[in-house]
Amino acid sequence: SQQGEEDPQALSIQEGENATMNCSYKTSINNLQWYRQNSGRGLVHLILIRSNEREKHSGRLRVTLDTSKKSSSLLITASRAADTASYFCAPSPGGGADGLTFGKGTHLIIQP
Amino acid sequence: KAGVTQTPRYLIKTRGQQVTLSCSPISGHRSVSWYQQTPGQGLQFLFEYFSETQRNKGNFPGRFSGRQFSNSRSEMNVSTLELGDSALYLCASRWTDSYEQYFGPGTRLTVT
Repeated sequence: SQQGEEDPQALSIQEGENATMNCSYKTSINNLQWYRQNSGRGLVHLILIRSNEREKHSGRLRVTLDTSKKSSSLLITASRAADTASYFCAPSPGGGADGLTFGKGTHLIIQP
Repeated sequence: KAGVTQTPRYLIKTRGQQVTLSCSPISGHRSVSWYQQTPGQGLQFLFEYFSETQRNKGNFPGRFSGRQFSNSRSEMNVSTLELGDSALYLCASRWTDSYEQYFGPGTRLTVT
């Protein structure tokens, strides 16, 4: 497994604005996942993007993947107070037997 | 469908003692992974079990061990506890052919 590094470490925006966070990793991947962690719901899977995909959408979430730059971004549109959480990326080499390794995450605060 | 459950939720132990944490995966999930989360190191992968066999292991000392039973329930054991073992221990399960992991609420271990 390899670790992703999220950037920025912290982000504070107004409700309704868009939030963008980035993830960088070091070696080839099969897929990359994004997870969210807050005190209410624990750690929850948001979205998975495969190495042969460049962009993926899920509701207000948009994920991009650039394998040539070994980076991914997560965009949350029209943010809500409930989006306040820490967001983690988890790059995976695949192969069936790999544990996820997370970075320190991006702590997102949505100001009312 | 019931989610991943972990017991106990909170635990206080003394240095030198040992501890066993339990995880019940989502029904039908045969893969169970364990993670340690601390403010300093973030979320780190401990090990993964599939069909009672350890498939992958993170970079933790041998004091950390685990096992999985035939019903896919898993236990994690930490022997000779150290202060630095104080952390949130998360268990996650997944379908055999899926990368998406479902996390439990965690066990908060405090070592004094």
